[in-house]
Amino acid sequence: RKEVEQDPGPFNVPEGATVAFNCTYSNSASQSFFWYRQDCRKEPKLLMSVYSSGNEDGRFTAQLNRASQYISLLIRDSKLSDSATYLCVVIVNQGGKLIFGQGTELSVKP
Amino acid sequence: EAGVTQSPTHLIKTRGQQATLRCSPISGHTSVYWYQQALGLGLQFLLWYDEGEERNRGNFPPRFSGRQFPNYSSELNVNALELEDSALYLCASSLVREGEQYFGPGTRLTVT
Repeated sequence: RKEVEQDPGPFNVPEGATVAFNCTYSNSASQSFFWYRQDCRKEPKLLMSVYSSGNEDGRFTAQLNRASQYISLLIRDSKLSDSATYLCVVIVNQGGKLIFGQGTELSVKP
Repeated sequence: EAGVTQSPTHLIKTRGQQATLRCSPISGHTSVYWYQQALGLGLQFLLWYDEGEERNRGNFPPRFSGRQFPNYSSELNVNALELEDSALYLCASSLVREGEQYFGPGTRLTVT
């Protein structure tokens, strides 16, 4: 079983749509959680950290459910520029190592 | 504020040669991390340096090594290059140990 699992997509949505990504992690010792976005052949860019209380940044909302070992990302009012691959990322215990999901591809169409 | 920088952008080597990749973290960041992203695969953790010391290492052979300098910049060395080492090598830095990691643009290594 992969340590971090995501639906690879692709998700094809029209502009203005709301889209939700889900992610599960297998190690209950996971302690830090993030969403990154990666454009084709570019480096991952940190979108947001994810906290148990949930957090929101503009059109983006992230939630963490430790009991279910589940992380989500909601994008409201999608823009063409949101088209990218969204990576669910965790850190387990200590050791600095980011563990990446395989990414979910999002394509926003006009 | 300048982000993480890496050099060179592209590197072409032949099998058996050695490659040296460089990374400068964001000013004030003391931790540097290295990742490999082979074509079509996810990012794999290589190494973590903090305060000049190697703190953690991923599942890679010993021919992957590196160091961190007193100014917190870092070098990744890959010896005895193999074709499957062809990948995008990404460096990231964080302000605190295991804090949010910010990535550089990467070095694309091609081994022929």
